[in-house]
Parts: sequence; C-alpha cells; structure tokens
Amino acid sequence: GQSLEQPSEVTAVEGAIVQINCTYQTSGFYGLSWYQQHDGGAPTFLSYNGLDGLEETGRFSSFLSRSDSYGYLLLQELQMKDSASYFCAVTFDNYGQNFVFGPGTRLSVLP
Amino acid sequence: DADVTQTPRNRITKTGKRIMLECSQTKGHDRMYWYRQDPGLGLQLIYYSFDVKDINKGEISDGYSVSRQAQAKFSLSLESAIPNQTALYFCATGANSGNTGELFFGEGSRLTVL
Repeated sequence: GQSLEQPSEVTAVEGAIVQINCTYQTSGFYGLSWYQQHDGGAPTFLSYNGLDGLEETGRFSSFLSRSDSYGYLLLQELQMKDSASYFCAVTFDNYGQNFVFGPGTRLSVLP
Repeated sequence: DADVTQTPRNRITKTGKRIMLECSQTKGHDRMYWYRQDPGLGLQLIYYSFDVKDINKGEISDGYSVSRQAQAKFSLSLESAIPNQTALYFCATGANSGNTGELFFGEGSRLTVL
C-alpha cells in the first residue's frame, strides 16, 4: 500500500521562509508532486520531483530524497495569499500517472 | 471557460436517491480521475480511466460507479446515496504520456446527502 505523512498545520509570518515536509511509504515510486488548495477551491499543481534534488519555481522550491523517502516544499518570501493547504502526492505507476495524496498541511501566514 | 468543468457545483439530496456528477474537459487528455475530499483531509481516489474503454477502481470505489462516455466526458454515479457520501468531489485530468506529476482539477462538486 501507499501512505504519506505531512504536518497538519504550519504558521509563519509574511516575508518568512517555511518548509513543509512529506514522508512516504509506497510500493513503487516514480515521483513526488505538490499541490496548493485555497479554501473552497480546486487543488492546483505547484511542482514535481522525478529525480533527487531541488526544483525551483519562483518563490517555491521542492526537494526529493528517494533514499530517505522524503521530500519538502519550501516557500520563500511568504505572502498572505500563500495561506492555503498544501498536499504532497506520490506517483507510483510509471504507465499512467497514478497518484496518492497526503493528508495536507494547512499553512497560515500572519501579518 | 474552464478546461475541466463539473456539474452540478452543489447538490443536496436525500438518502437512497441516485445521483450523477458529470465532468467534461477540453484539454484533450486521455486520463481522467474522480477524487473525494472530506473536510480537513486529503484527496482519495474513487475511480480512474486512461481511455474510453478503460475503467479502474481506486481506493474507495464501493458505493460508486463511473461511465466514460467519450474522451472528454467522465461521469460519477452514486446509485443509492448515503449520508457518509457527503463530501466535495473533484474530477481531474492528466497528460497523455510521461510522468509530469501534474493533474488538472475541476472546481469541484459539493454533495450533501441528508
């Protein structure tokens, strides 16, 4: 089976840096994705790591270590609009993108 | 117009009723998914389809059925709705090949079963 763990809540102030961790246990692994979801909205894709290392997309970066079954999302220069839930998701099927989502981390950005 | 459209956006129904949630997409993707989200929780996969003739069960398929009428359309049915199926339902599509890690979600259908 597949299971993912994330912290349930994280709080930070505007302008700060925050890291959201994700650990996983899967039978088969091909990559780790991150999604953002604002209250009442749809999840939107942020980043994907298919290989070990850091991927950077603007203020957001994502890291993967396959040997540690671990990844994180790094958000820099936090803004109020970054307050949302963040989900990691494991892709474990190389044929056709099958995903399992983590429980999500609720990020609150304070002024 | 949204690339992935779900109807209805909100529905209130009674226990035992049959409900259909519809999803259509203009992205030209072969891969389509139905997810369920309960308050404060992640997304659980109900069913997925990788082409018109392909239907696969996900983690929580009991009590649900699907129909892939065309490449662009993927419907989710609750044959006899029960209160614990009250949730937010998302349809999603994925690229036709490769591992991009990206799914494209519709805006969601909020279902309440009384």
